[in-house]
Amino acid sequence: EVQLVESGGDLVQPGGSLRVSCAASGFTFSSYTMNWVRQAPGKGLEWISYISGRGDTIYYAESVKGRFTISRDNAENSLHLQMNSLRADDTAVYYCARAVYSNGVRPRFDPWGQGTLVTVSS
Amino acid sequence: DIQMTQSPSSLSASVGDRVTITCRASQTISSYLNWYQQRPGRAPKLLIYAASSLQTGVPSRFSGSGSGTDFTLTISSLQPEDFATYYCQQTYSNLYTFGQGTELEIK
Repeated sequence: EVQLVESGGDLVQPGGSLRVSCAASGFTFSSYTMNWVRQAPGKGLEWISYISGRGDTIYYAESVKGRFTISRDNAENSLHLQMNSLRADDTAVYYCARAVYSNGVRPRFDPWGQGTLVTVSS
Repeated sequence: DIQMTQSPSSLSASVGDRVTITCRASQTISSYLNWYQQRPGRAPKLLIYAASSLQTGVPSRFSGSGSGTDFTLTISSLQPEDFATYYCQQTYSNLYTFGQGTELEIK
């Protein structure tokens, strides 16, 4: 069974740092691009970062560029998001999601993990 | 960035109704449009990809159409488990963006 499990969410003070992780199983992790998507309480989905299978292509949304760093460890089947200079508006559930491509079609996200809650507050 | 706008933002309907949700892109995205369903407290689930392809395991009452800038998600006969929030997503650009969501409520 393909599965993604996030961890590392916590309460952190404004200006602080936190790393959240995503453990993958049931598929060849290194063959898939991965993404982070977040959802603030009561709000919609916001894509924030992408990393290619080998980790050599990375994209960020403007809202996190320069503060967040995505990485992966293909030997450990894990995805990470290092978050620095955290602000109150970074408070959200953070989901990891696998990107699936087929027949030259651009990607869709499937599956998603269950999410991990990051709260930024003093 | 490509902006995605869904309408309506919320919708009340009854079991058995036919429902259509619209998603409009700020520029052409070809057919690179996905739809997701999110039930309260749960992770999003893929319903439709490439505008009109039904994800494996998703009931056939769900369908998608459109290309360019205008897209629709249709549920042909609402079931109780369909009351949820629906999001469109463009993957035409490498900076993927979602619509703001459409909350489908029971009338």
